Amino acid sequence: SQKIEQNSEALNIQEGKTATLTCNYTNYSPAYLQWYRQDPGRGPVFLLLIRENEKEKRKERLKVTFDTTLKQSLFHITASQPADSATYLCALHGSSNTGKLIFGQGTTLQVKP
Amino acid sequence: GAGVSQSPRYKVAKRGQDVALRCDPISGHVSLFWYQQALGQGPEFLTYFQNEAQLDKSGLPSDRFFAERPEGSVSTLKIQRTQQEDSAVYLCASSSQAPDTQYFGPGTRLTVL
Repeated sequence: SQKIEQNSEALNIQEGKTATLTCNYTNYSPAYLQWYRQDPGRGPVFLLLIRENEKEKRKERLKVTFDTTLKQSLFHITASQPADSATYLCALHGSSNTGKLIFGQGTTLQVKP
Repeated sequence: GAGVSQSPRYKVAKRGQDVALRCDPISGHVSLFWYQQALGQGPEFLTYFQNEAQLDKSGLPSDRFFAERPEGSVSTLKIQRTQQEDSAVYLCASSSQAPDTQYFGPGTRLTVL
């Protein structure tokens, strides 16, 4: 069956370090993958989209990689700040052209000052 | 400009009651999605509209769930005869086209007693 897995355990890091979050999937061939940030009591907020023919995408302190052979995406936040503390969700588009997103369960990041 | 808004933000219902949750998407957005998010989990797709047409309702968990978007803008998710397992946050998202970045509302937290 189709499955998306993110680290269920919270990730705690020190301010200034690089945070790396993992998203693994099975039995999908996504055309592209998105990363969202969700703060408590709020809806997810779009961060980055990467297509299947792209290996890497960057936006300011954020970097996403997409390895369709390993079926894995890595999400990096460099020079992390306490304000980066949130839950990060990866989401896949399947073969459907409706745009329906399939989300992982999310990884909570805590950046300590 | 205004983002996606949802109302009410919180709803408490007794088991067996009917509820209606409203979503106001970003003006001009063709695509509208409803998701259900249980505590500690990622959002799960419920249904998708393109303008007023409901093109995918594969995620609706039972026939007690009904969604509409009669004029292609505001959408309502209705749950009949609510059950305790319906307790969750219901998120609405819109996008200018599908597939594309989705913009989420703050969600409606439904608690069924």
